[in-house]
Parts: sequence; C-alpha cells; structure tokens
Amino acid sequence: DAKTTQPPSMDCAEGRAANLPCNHSTISGNEYVYWYRQIHSQGPQYIIHGLKNNETNEMASLIITEDRKSSTLILPHATLRDTAVYYCIVREHNAGNNRKLIWGLGTSLAVNP
Amino acid sequence: EAGVAQSPRYKIIEKRQSVAFWCNPISGHATLYWYQQILGQGPKLLIQFQNNGVVDDSQLPKDRFSAERLKGVDSTLKIQPAKLEDSAVYLCASSGLRLTKQTKNYGYTFGSGTRLTVV
Repeated sequence: DAKTTQPPSMDCAEGRAANLPCNHSTISGNEYVYWYRQIHSQGPQYIIHGLKNNETNEMASLIITEDRKSSTLILPHATLRDTAVYYCIVREHNAGNNRKLIWGLGTSLAVNP
Repeated sequence: EAGVAQSPRYKIIEKRQSVAFWCNPISGHATLYWYQQILGQGPKLLIQFQNNGVVDDSQLPKDRFSAERLKGVDSTLKIQPAKLEDSAVYLCASSGLRLTKQTKNYGYTFGSGTRLTVV
C-alpha cells in the first residue's frame, strides 16, 4: 500500500500558485519525499525530491514540515500545461538503491484559464 | 540524450490473443522496471530486472505474463492469453548509477508507455 495520502483533485487558476498537499505520517528517517507528475498519455515525470529541508528547482518548490509528516508541492505560476496527475511518494534514496516506488492515486490538478 | 523507448505506442487485441511490448532503457541503466497502470490508478510494479536477472516479480501474473531481458539491455513483456482486465497502459522505466540530466533524481526515467486495449 502507498504510504502517502493526497486529495483526489484540485483546481487552480492560470498564473496563480498551485499548492498540492501530501500526508506521509508513517515516513521513516531514511525515506525521502518524491514528487512525480503524469500528463495525459505520457509516462510519469520526475519533479523534485527532498529529505527534510525545503527544496526548489526550475519546476517547483517542495516544503516539508519539521516533523516530516506532510509536505506541499508548490507550482509558483501554474500554466495550462501543468494540468496533470501529481503523485507524492516516499522511498529510500541512494544512487545504488533500487527500491520499487509504491504509487497511490495522486492528485488530479486542473489549471483553468 | 535518448530517453526510455517503448513500442508499440498503442495496441488493440481480442481476448485470448497474445501481445508483446518492447522497451529500450537509457544506455547504461542496470535496472529496468515494467509497470501496469489501469485507468484512474497509479502505476503498479509487475517486474524488476537488475541487468538480466529478476529482482522482484511478486506482482506478475505468471500464468499469463512473462518478461525477459536476455542481454541486460532491451526487455520484452508478453501477455498470453490476454484478458479484458489486462487493458491498461504498460510503462517501462529504468534507473542506474550514472547520473545524467534526465536521472539527476537518482530515481526513475519512464517511457511513454504502451496503451493496450483488449476487446
């Protein structure tokens, strides 16, 4: 079973920030939080990952609470092309680690014009 | 740099027929995964290869599904005979130690998948 829970769907206005929450209350100390998204008819695409510090890259920001039991993915200026299903996953992390990803149902984000 | 290649992109077959999917991972990636994604659900791992050996096939329906990665590079996934409930997108992903722009996450790179419809 997936170790994360996410709202099934969210709406966001184009140009506004999209804040996607994720609960992972049973996360263990060596597990990272990963975010992927899946645009219709495509394979999942990596967005960002983090352990306990907030992270930012060219696609998004990841805010992880101090107790690490939840996180929020932020798309600062959502565009129509950001409409997708967003998956939050926890897994162990190292370059040689081949642990499988266990996927939940994700959040279907609709960006509206 | 080339990503994970999959073919065919779409396939429609009748139940009880057989079908095969092909995957070419990112060059140098030792680990290859096949996932099944039913409409409205997240991907479910079917089988994981490390080079040409099977690491995890616990969720592969072995009475009808088979997969191989003979030379530790390309892989094929076969279904024989197909059932209606096999209608899904079949995703291939690869991961490895070599970091590239596509794999900087130490994680997976996915192909675009094969959409199978069994009628």
